[in-house]
Amino acid sequence: DIVMTQSPDSLAVSLGERATINCKSSQSVLYNSNDKNYLAWYQQKPGQPPKLLIYWASTRESGVPDRFSGSGSGTDFTLTISSLQAEDVAVYYCEQYYSLPLTFGGGTKVEIK
Amino acid sequence: EMQLVESGGGLVQPGESLRLSCAASGFTLSSNWMNWVRQAPGKGLEWVANIKQDGSEENYVDSVKGRFTISRDNVKNSLYLQMNSLRAEDTAVYYCARGPNTAYSYFAPWGQGTLVIVSS
Repeated sequence: DIVMTQSPDSLAVSLGERATINCKSSQSVLYNSNDKNYLAWYQQKPGQPPKLLIYWASTRESGVPDRFSGSGSGTDFTLTISSLQAEDVAVYYCEQYYSLPLTFGGGTKVEIK
Repeated sequence: EMQLVESGGGLVQPGESLRLSCAASGFTLSSNWMNWVRQAPGKGLEWVANIKQDGSEENYVDSVKGRFTISRDNVKNSLYLQMNSLRAEDTAVYYCARGPNTAYSYFAPWGQGTLVIVSS
C-alpha cells in the first residue's frame, strides 16, 4: 500500500497570508507513460463531506478559487492557499490514486491565527 | 447538478449486517466507477471499495474483504454496500463518491454520508 504522510498536522495562518500543506507518498505516484501524478487534494469543512479541490496534482476543479494551487511531482506535493480567507478553515487531505488501495493522508487542519 | 444521497446507516451490534444505499441524480450512474469511502468519528478518510460501470469488477480494502460487498443497479441509478460481520472498527460515516472512468480515481462529488455505529 502507498502511505501518504501530510505535514503539518495543523497550522494557524493570519487572514490574507499564505498557507502551505505538504504531502509525501511512500512511493512515486507519477505514471511515466502519461507523465501524470495521480494525486488529489480535498477540503473538508466541519459537518460536511470532502470536496475535491485539485486533481492530477495541479489541476484545479471547476469552481475552486484560484487562491488554491497544487504543485509537486513523484513523491512530494504541496497545496498552497495564497491568501487565506475565513471560509478556508477546514481539514485538507491528499489522496493517491496511482494504485489500489486508494489511500489518503492523515489530514491537515487549517485555522485562523 | 450531480448529487448523491446515502441511506441505510444506523446502530447495529457486532456480527450483524447492514445494507447501505446511495441514490444518484443529475448524472448517469452507469457512466462512472463508483466508490465507498468511510470516516471514523474524528478520524481521517479511508477508501473502502469501488465498482466498475457495468458491475463486472470490484475492488476492496483488505480490512473489509470477504465481509463487505459493493453492488450497483444502473436502472435505479443506485449504489449499494452490503456489510456483514460488522465490527466495532467499522463504525464510521460512509460516503458514496463518484469516480471518473477508471478504478484509479479521485472523487467528485461526494454524498453527505450515512453514519454506521457498531456497538453492543
